[in-house]
Formats: sequence, structure tokens, C-alpha cells
Amino acid sequence: GDSVTQMEGPVTLSEEAFLTINCTYTATGYPSLFWYVQYPGEGLQLLLKATKADDKGSNKGFEATYRKETTSFHLEKGSVQVSDSAVYFCALSTGGSQGNLIFGKGTKLSVKP
Amino acid sequence: NAGVTQTPKFQVLKTGQSMTLQCAQDMNHEYMSWYRQDPGMGLRLIHYSVGAGITDQGEVPNGYNVSRSTTEDFPLRLLSAAPSQTSVYFCASSYSGGRSGNTIYFGEGSWLTVV
Repeated sequence: GDSVTQMEGPVTLSEEAFLTINCTYTATGYPSLFWYVQYPGEGLQLLLKATKADDKGSNKGFEATYRKETTSFHLEKGSVQVSDSAVYFCALSTGGSQGNLIFGKGTKLSVKP
Repeated sequence: NAGVTQTPKFQVLKTGQSMTLQCAQDMNHEYMSWYRQDPGMGLRLIHYSVGAGITDQGEVPNGYNVSRSTTEDFPLRLLSAAPSQTSVYFCASSYSGGRSGNTIYFGEGSWLTVV
């Protein structure tokens, strides 16, 4: 079945460091791909998304490119801030999942000043 | 701008009790769903609905019941609470799920502890 695999956390970085969170997927058909962020004590917010191969989603300095050849959607940010500390979830949606999201297990990011 | 509203935010239940988590959305979304979030497990789909009067099971439906009598509301019922149902529950809504990149909006979560 469809699935999402994220790199294990937690990830601890210093402010202004470069961030990469790896995400790979298995899916039949052509999924839409998402990154959601969950700040402490809050619900999930959509961070960015991409709907077809080679699309790049971007928001708040974060980017991810839909790579069909490597079935990946890695999240990157050039310079993280303390306020980026959160849990990040990679997710996909396909017609086969009836439009429901299939999530990775989440990666907790802590940014130290 | 209410979006997706869940109540209660926190609840403690005794084993065997029943309760209902409420979810309402004011965006006229056809699609609604319930997920549970457990440490190290990500979010897992419990039940979902693609419109009023239509519900279906997700990955972990056992012990939960849903109904969709209106477009706005999608309550989740715990029939006989068990400690294994201790979790954070999220309601979500969208126009048509995540197909074609449609954004799925989440509520703020309901923290449930079963003792």
C-alpha cells in the first residue's frame, strides 16, 4: 500500500544552520505531496505542497521538490530560526486513498540560539 | 474565521465510559475526517466522510463510531473507552480530500486520557 518514510528525529540545529528533512514515498498512481508543521501544543498547519513531478513547493523559506525518479520530497531551509522548532510531517494523498492523507511518523526539530 | 473547531480540548475518561468528540467546520467542505496521533506513529486515519450521510473506515476504526448528518458536523464517538485510546485526536476538512493538492485543514486537537 501507499506509505511515507521520514528520517528519524529528533534533529537539533543551531540558529542559521541548513536544514534537510528527508522524505520518500511509495504510491500507486501520481500522489500529491505535502509537508505539514505542528508547533508545540497546536494542530497541524500546511507548510507547502506539490501536485506533480518537478513541482517545487515553498513557504516561509522552506522548500521541497517533487522528485518522481527518486520518489522523494525532501524539506529544506537555508537558515533555520528558533521559531522553526516544531514537528514536521510529510504526507501524500492519492485517488487510491480516497483523498485521505497518509503521514510519515514526523520529525521533531529543535533549533538552539 | 472559525475554520475547524473541535471540542473538548482536554478530557479524562474512565475505562468503559463513552463520550463524543465534537467537530464542526464552517467552510462548506464536503470531506471530513478524524485522525489520532500517537508518539512515534504519526497520524493515523480513524474514519472519514466524503459528504453528508456517507462515512467510511480508515486505518484504525475499531472502538470508534461516526455519523455525518450535516455538512458542518462530524462527531467521533468512543463507545467504551480503553487505555489504548489515550491519544490526541484531530479533525480535518477539505473540499475533496487531498486530491489534486487540495489543502486539508486541521482542528487544534483534542487531548484524551483514558484511565
